Amino acid sequence: AQSVSQHNHHVILSEAASLELGCNYSYGGTVNLFWYVQYPGQHLQLLLKYFSGDPLVKGIKGFEAEFIKSKFSFNLRKPSVQWSDTAEYFCAVNPGFMGANNLFFGTGTRLTVIP
Amino acid sequence: DGGITQSPKYLFRKEGQNVTLSCEQNLNHDAMYWYRQDPGQGLRLIYYSQIVNDFQKGDIAEGYSVSREKKESFPLTVTSAQKNPTAFYLCASSMGGLAGTQETQYFGPGTRLLVL
Repeated sequence: AQSVSQHNHHVILSEAASLELGCNYSYGGTVNLFWYVQYPGQHLQLLLKYFSGDPLVKGIKGFEAEFIKSKFSFNLRKPSVQWSDTAEYFCAVNPGFMGANNLFFGTGTRLTVIP
Repeated sequence: DGGITQSPKYLFRKEGQNVTLSCEQNLNHDAMYWYRQDPGQGLRLIYYSQIVNDFQKGDIAEGYSVSREKKESFPLTVTSAQKNPTAFYLCASSMGGLAGTQETQYFGPGTRLLVL
């Protein structure tokens, strides 16, 4: 079955450490890619998205993600995390041949940043 | 202030009861969605609607029902047939479009349903 994989279930980092969260998908062809973040007690928010163009996309709060088509990956990065980045992060993929209603989510990665 | 509202924030249900979760949006979006979020499983699509008076089943529609009588509203009913309803329910909306369009789904704050 086609899927979205986030291999890191729980990541614990100290403040100022660098972050990279993996996201791999198995859909062929054109894809629209998203990272959403869910802070404790808050709703799911869009962190960044890739539709086309420059494969390195920048989002809010210093996050960026790189689309590597050959690796079917869309990893999320941040050079220096803060305690306020503690949240759950979800990768989501919309296969381009499907309508926008077909948004498939990974199982999420919980990030804990220790002050 | 545009956005998606969901009510209530917490909902308790007794065994055998139907309950309805509210979702309203003032973003003028055509498409609306209901997801269920369980720990360690990410989000799974329950139902979606691309236009008023039309809706389609998602991956886990059994035990749920929806209606879309108004563009702004997409209520979800969790029926007594849903055997494991305890979860966090998220409503989302997007502009709506055909395959190949580039859209973003925006999410509401969610409703946590607990079965007593």
